[in-house]
Amino acid sequence: DAGVIQSPRHEVTEMGQEVTLRCKPISGHNSLFWYRQTMMRGLELLIYFNNNVPIDDSGMPEDRFSAKMPNASFSTLKIQPSEPRDSAVYFCASSLAVGSGNTIYFGEGSWLTVV
Amino acid sequence: SQKIEQNSEALNIQEGKTATLTCNYTNYSPAYLQWYRQDPGRGPVFLLLIRENEKEKRKERLKVTFDTTLKQSLFHITASQPADSATYLCALANTGNQFYFGTGTSLTVIP
Repeated sequence: DAGVIQSPRHEVTEMGQEVTLRCKPISGHNSLFWYRQTMMRGLELLIYFNNNVPIDDSGMPEDRFSAKMPNASFSTLKIQPSEPRDSAVYFCASSLAVGSGNTIYFGEGSWLTVV
Repeated sequence: SQKIEQNSEALNIQEGKTATLTCNYTNYSPAYLQWYRQDPGRGPVFLLLIRENEKEKRKERLKVTFDTTLKQSLFHITASQPADSATYLCALANTGNQFYFGTGTSLTVIP
């Protein structure tokens, strides 16, 4: 299996621009997570989907952030407009169904720098 | 909201010694606790899972304990090697699948 695939791996953008991060989860996994990692705050859960439906988006920092999962094999995290404080590593992760403490498999991350 | 704290300082130990990392939590009653390893520039990788009704779990040189009374997990690496140098993260979840991560502990094993 190819694992969780994220793109782009690195993105540098100017403040105010729209950023779209993409994720392909592991085939057969029906839970998908978006995390953000910074030195100050560690790994924060932004949003969690189960069977393509957003279950908990309480971690999304503000309305500038949105996430979609149109089908089982694709998800996007969008920031519009982007700000310098959004600079972080954004991880997508997937796992099997809820309820068993299933292992979360992480992608390699999208390194975002907003200047 | 739940709070998860790991060793606040980076941990340096001599090769061959046992490394012990701590994970303390408050305002939470997790059903599962996991430990992950993260190397620089990479995503976290799963190591071990322990359930609330388990006291201890072992895997090769790794051992995890889970004390729900103390609200603490300990992660041990015995006979440590320089290749064990990485950041180690604990993660907690309830009966759902929402895992919340600690800030991680950076471990350096000195040859």
